[in-house]
Amino acid sequence: DARVTQTPRHKVTEMGQEVTMRCQPILGHNTVFWYRQTMMQGLELLAYFRNRAPLDDSGMPKDRFSAEMPDATLATLKIQPSEPRDSAVYFCASGFGQATDTQYFGPGTRLTVL
Amino acid sequence: DAKTTQPTSMDCAEGRAANLPCNHSTISGNEYVYWYRQIHSQGPQYIIHGLKNNETNEMASLIITEDRKSSTLILPHATLRDTAVYYCIVRPSHNTDKLIFGTGTRLQVFP
Repeated sequence: DARVTQTPRHKVTEMGQEVTMRCQPILGHNTVFWYRQTMMQGLELLAYFRNRAPLDDSGMPKDRFSAEMPDATLATLKIQPSEPRDSAVYFCASGFGQATDTQYFGPGTRLTVL
Repeated sequence: DAKTTQPTSMDCAEGRAANLPCNHSTISGNEYVYWYRQIHSQGPQYIIHGLKNNETNEMASLIITEDRKSSTLILPHATLRDTAVYYCIVRPSHNTDKLIFGTGTRLQVFP
């Protein structure tokens, strides 16, 4: 049963620290998405990649967030420096195709910044 | 972008059909209707999507009105595990991957 995996599942850190979240998309999927979910804003798309190239990162705060795909099996989302307002659940999703019909979501990383 | 309107919450008895409505009165001709759900503490899960014809899969049925201004997701025999937030999403265009999630409908299935 192929699934998107995310690590860590939970992260507690102090303000100012660097945070790196990792995602392993489903093998063979060529599109990877990063979402953030908070009670106030709901589920927001931060960025997404196709064939490891960034297609859209308009939802991502540019000054402290960065997203990369070092290879086809790993996507990373980094926050540096982290702030309390970054506390949220971060989801990775993957899919296949030019206009991805189905996005398969991972279990999420719950980030708490103190 | 077309927007959707869903009831905030609904209840359904276990074993009965759950009918979740969605209004999308400003939908354009080439925009699809997608349904995802999110069970507590999990990532969203794809359910079904359609353009103008009714669709059915192993999870649910999607009924789209002829004018395409509204749709209904039907879970034919709801179980306790169907308790979740259900999101109705209109995809801006077939040539984009973006899904814009609203606030959804919180469905509570009770015994």
